Amino acid sequence: DGGITQSPKYLFRKEGQNVTLSCEQNLNHDAMYWYRQDPGQGLRLIYYSQIVNDFQKGDIAEGYSVSREKKESFPLTVTSAQKNPTAFYLCATTRGTGPINYGYTFGSGTRLTVV
Amino acid sequence: EDKVVQSPLSLVVHEGDTVTLNCSYEVTNFRSLLWYKQEKKAPTFLFMLTSSGIEKKSGRLSSILDKKELFSILNITATQTGDSAVYLCAAGGTSYGKLTFGQGTILTVHP
Repeated sequence: DGGITQSPKYLFRKEGQNVTLSCEQNLNHDAMYWYRQDPGQGLRLIYYSQIVNDFQKGDIAEGYSVSREKKESFPLTVTSAQKNPTAFYLCATTRGTGPINYGYTFGSGTRLTVV
Repeated sequence: EDKVVQSPLSLVVHEGDTVTLNCSYEVTNFRSLLWYKQEKKAPTFLFMLTSSGIEKKSGRLSSILDKKELFSILNITATQTGDSAVYLCAAGGTSYGKLTFGQGTILTVHP
């Protein structure tokens, strides 16, 4: 089945640690996105990538980093510089020219909690 | 700055009721408006609207876009407990293809 796999589903991080969230897709979609979801705030864009080896900051990129070494993979690292990382993280993909034409396909998300 | 606002933020109804969810948007070079349903984790696609005044329907759900008033509504008739979810509205422009999301409406349908 084609789809997006996010792992892990739940992640606990101690303060000061970096953690990496995985997003893998076998849809052959070009563009990949990371969103953060907090209660009452909807989804906010962290980073996005439209082609391999290229990515851009979204609205709330501070404290996060990404890489796009393969078309299928777009991992997100939450660094210790992110002051309030507890949230639900969603990875999304879209084919071709972007979500305004085709919409997103979403992964099942990773819930990150700082302990 | 692009902005999408949904109302109400939460809604509690009984099975069989009809509900209307609202979404207003301000997006540079607007191109499309999308509705998603989020039950537990991954949002699932409901509708994409690009043309004003044309209603899209899927079973008991329907949606319409008003590009003059920068507004969309999502209607659900004869609600069922399975309709309980967060409904997300998102708008996209042509700048670099991202979607801007609203806060979501939490719909709870009681038996």
